[in-house]
Amino acid sequence: GAGVSQSPRYKVAKRGQDVALRCDPISGHVSLFWYQQALGQGPEFLTYFQNEAQLDKSGLPSDRFFAERPEGSVSTLKIQRTQQEDSAVYLCASSLNVVDTQYFGPGTRLTVL
Amino acid sequence: KQEVTQIPAALSVPEGENLVLNCSFTDSAIYNLQWFRQDPGKGLTSLLLIQSSQREQTSGRLNASLDKSSGRSTLYIAASQPGDSATYLCAVAYNNNDMRFGAGTRLTVKP
Repeated sequence: GAGVSQSPRYKVAKRGQDVALRCDPISGHVSLFWYQQALGQGPEFLTYFQNEAQLDKSGLPSDRFFAERPEGSVSTLKIQRTQQEDSAVYLCASSLNVVDTQYFGPGTRLTVL
Repeated sequence: KQEVTQIPAALSVPEGENLVLNCSFTDSAIYNLQWFRQDPGKGLTSLLLIQSSQREQTSGRLNASLDKSSGRSTLYIAASQPGDSATYLCAVAYNNNDMRFGAGTRLTVKP
């Protein structure tokens, strides 16, 4: 079946603009994760959902970052008043359950000018 | 803070050579350890997952080992091919969802 998809694949924003990044997990996957990957670095954990419940948001770097998964499937990561340091690739992953292998989407490359 | 370090940062080898990628972690109380492959502009593909109770996993030409007591894991790639060229990431899970990644080793296999 289809893997994890993310949209848009590329996003250029002016500093101060709000952006919304979408993740479509594999159908039936209960757990959904968001990661931020800076250039030349490994991904860093942002937040995690079990169905529609956001169980861990300890990795969100500031209160400008907000994630939701209202119906337990599609998730949106929103960044308000973007700053240049927000430029990174944002990766979404899903797993059948929290203990299972995570399957990653291709990521959204965000560039803030 | 739990840290994951990967050495070397980059590696270039001729086709056919066997190679070893290294990963070290500071906190040995891990849940599992995973090796991923990342191709430019693409997401991560899981290669091997080693549970904390296991010492190694094998898949085809890949073998990953885990030594919790020393905080180390290695990924062994046999008979390397140009198609193996990618960035290899080590990720350590400290509970059932907190996964910490290393910065990766960028591998180039020359034909």
